[in-house]
Amino acid sequence: AQSVTQPDIHITVSEGASLELRCNYSYGATPYLFWYVQSPGQGLQLLLKYFSGDTLVQGIKGFEAEFKRSQSSFNLRKPSVHWSDAAEYFCAVGAFNAGNMLTFGGGTRLMVKP
Amino acid sequence: GAGVSQSPSNKVTEKGKDVELRCDPISGHTALYWYRQSLGQGLEFLIYFQGNSAPDKSGLPSDRFSAERTGGSVSTLTIQRTQQEDSAVYLCASSLAGNEKLFFGSGTQLSVL
Repeated sequence: AQSVTQPDIHITVSEGASLELRCNYSYGATPYLFWYVQSPGQGLQLLLKYFSGDTLVQGIKGFEAEFKRSQSSFNLRKPSVHWSDAAEYFCAVGAFNAGNMLTFGGGTRLMVKP
Repeated sequence: GAGVSQSPSNKVTEKGKDVELRCDPISGHTALYWYRQSLGQGLEFLIYFQGNSAPDKSGLPSDRFSAERTGGSVSTLTIQRTQQEDSAVYLCASSLAGNEKLFFGSGTQLSVL
């Protein structure tokens, strides 16, 4: 069975600082990997996804993530955080041979200090 | 509509009562999911509908939970004899068949007193 672990429950960074959110997955085949963001009072929004090809994927809002098979990781990064990035971030792994079934990690809450 | 619509946005009920949560997916989306997000927890898969196939109910936590999808469109999640541990945000999402991007609704906040 697939699983996703986000080791950091809370992270606080200063505005303008760089950000890395960790995600580790467990899956028997090549995974499809996603990062979603949930801003306060809003639904989930897809930031980026990895299916195949280039292991460094670019997403919206200046985010990127790198798929590292050897480490079973898909960490999310941003070079300079903005106050509006404060939100809950979810990593997810998919198994699309059986439909769009996604398994989500527990989420990381990002707080941004002025 | 332009997005996935869920109603009600908030529901307060008494322990032991039944509740129904509604999801209107994006028109044309054949896949529909229900997830639950408890306070401080990640998203928990509940049930998945794909076209005319039998739904994947593997995530339903107990037989008090059920869901149906009428006409391949609107879905209703029913919780019978609600318990306090059912309190959570219930999220619905839809996607095109074979398309991986999920579109989420804003959720229904369920509070069981």
